[in-house]
Amino acid sequence: QKEVEQNSGPLSVPEGAIASLNCTYSDRGSQSFFWYRQYSGKSPELIMSIYSNGDKEDGRFTAQLNKASQYVSLLIRDSQPSDSATYLCAVNRGAAGNKLTFGGGTRVLVKP
Amino acid sequence: GAVVSQHPSWVICKSGTSVKIECRSLDFQATTMFWYRQFPKQSLMLMATSNEGSKATYEQGVEKDKFLINHASLTLSTLTVTSAHPEDSSFYICSASPRNQPQHFGDGTRLSIL
Repeated sequence: QKEVEQNSGPLSVPEGAIASLNCTYSDRGSQSFFWYRQYSGKSPELIMSIYSNGDKEDGRFTAQLNKASQYVSLLIRDSQPSDSATYLCAVNRGAAGNKLTFGGGTRVLVKP
Repeated sequence: GAVVSQHPSWVICKSGTSVKIECRSLDFQATTMFWYRQFPKQSLMLMATSNEGSKATYEQGVEKDKFLINHASLTLSTLTVTSAHPEDSSFYICSASPRNQPQHFGDGTRLSIL
C-alpha cells in the first residue's frame, strides 16, 4: 500500500463544473496536508494547506480533511481551462515545514 | 510569500560531467531544504534533506556519493550530480519553507545528459 494514494485520472471536467479530487493516506500520525498544482514541465505550486478536520475554502478551492477516515479532498468550483494540471496531494508529520510524502497526482482536464 | 530560487533552470551536458544546482531562499532563512527528482509522468520523489551546517539525510536508494549536497548557509543549498550519466537525466526540484510554514518549490532544473 502506498503511503499517499490518488486516482491518476485523467479527470475530465466541463468548464464551469466542479472538479472533485480525493486522496487517502496511511500514516495516522500525519498532521499537515497540502494540495499542490503542477503544470506540465513546471514545479509544484502550493494552492491549499489544511491541518484540522473539516472544510477550508480559498477562492474557488475547498479542501476537506477527515482524519478518522484518513482522507483529504479538493474541490475546484467553476473549473476553468487554466485549471488543467496535475494536482498533487502531500502529507507530513508534525510541523508544516517537515518533509513531504506525495501522492502520484491526479491529472485534471477542463474542457471548454 | 516565500520565494525559492533555483539555478540553472536547464542544463545539457556530456556524460561524465559533474553538474551543480543551486537552491536559494530569497526572503527567509531555511535551516532545512529538500531535494526532489521527478521523472516524466511520475510524481516527486524525495532524494535528500539538506541540513544547514551538517550532513544531508538521504532517502533509501539515493547514492550520497553521487548526489553531493552542501548547505553552507541559511539561504543556500547546492546539489552536485557527480559524473552524470544519461540515466541521471531528470527534473530536479528543491523546496524550502519559513519556520512552521508549508514548503515552497523552486522552478526546477531540467538536466539532460547526452
